[in-house]
Amino acid sequence: NAGVTQTPKFRILKIGQSMTLQCTQDMNHNYMYWYRQDPGMGLKLIYYSVGAGITDKGEVPNGYNVSRSTTEDFPLRLELAAPSQTSVYFCASRPTDRGAHEQYFGPGTRLTVT
Amino acid sequence: DAKTTQPPSMDCAEGRAANLPCNHSTISGNEYVYWYRQIHSQGPQYIIHGLKNNETNEMASLIITEDRKSSTLILPHATLRDTAVYYCIVREFTGTASKLTFGTGTRLQVTL
Repeated sequence: NAGVTQTPKFRILKIGQSMTLQCTQDMNHNYMYWYRQDPGMGLKLIYYSVGAGITDKGEVPNGYNVSRSTTEDFPLRLELAAPSQTSVYFCASRPTDRGAHEQYFGPGTRLTVT
Repeated sequence: DAKTTQPPSMDCAEGRAANLPCNHSTISGNEYVYWYRQIHSQGPQYIIHGLKNNETNEMASLIITEDRKSSTLILPHATLRDTAVYYCIVREFTGTASKLTFGTGTRLQVTL
């Protein structure tokens, strides 16, 4: 299994531009998450999904949108990028099993908005 | 979620045990203790979790005090590759989304 993959690895955006961060997992996990991590800080939850067609807001959803049309993919959309969205973005997934506690994280996308 | 308190940084000599403390004095009965680590801006990596009993796996041991108000993650023989930021997270596991809240963690530096 490739696990959780994210593209791109790096991106520089100009203020006001839009982009989609891609996240794919091949472990058939129903639960997926998007986090952002600002320099020197812990991760903050942006959005999460409990299955295809179902998404919900996390702690810091403003300025972002998500969709979940398949189990494998959970893209994060940035509309009208702002400097405050400069961060490292991590996608994660978790199995549905009641005994499965572990979240699996992707390698991250480093985004700079100038 | 219960709040956790960790020291901002710790040092450990290679080959020695690294003991990382975490205080969670407001933990409730159905909240688990989770440990993740993040090596140099990579994605966080799950280490271990526990509810009441001490736990051990191939990576580490988790010691939870009897009153559950604090815990210690033990890396028995630290190596340079264990240099990372370690996060202690307390979270109720409902079997549904189980969203994690990361603090700033403990930066462990393993030295020769």
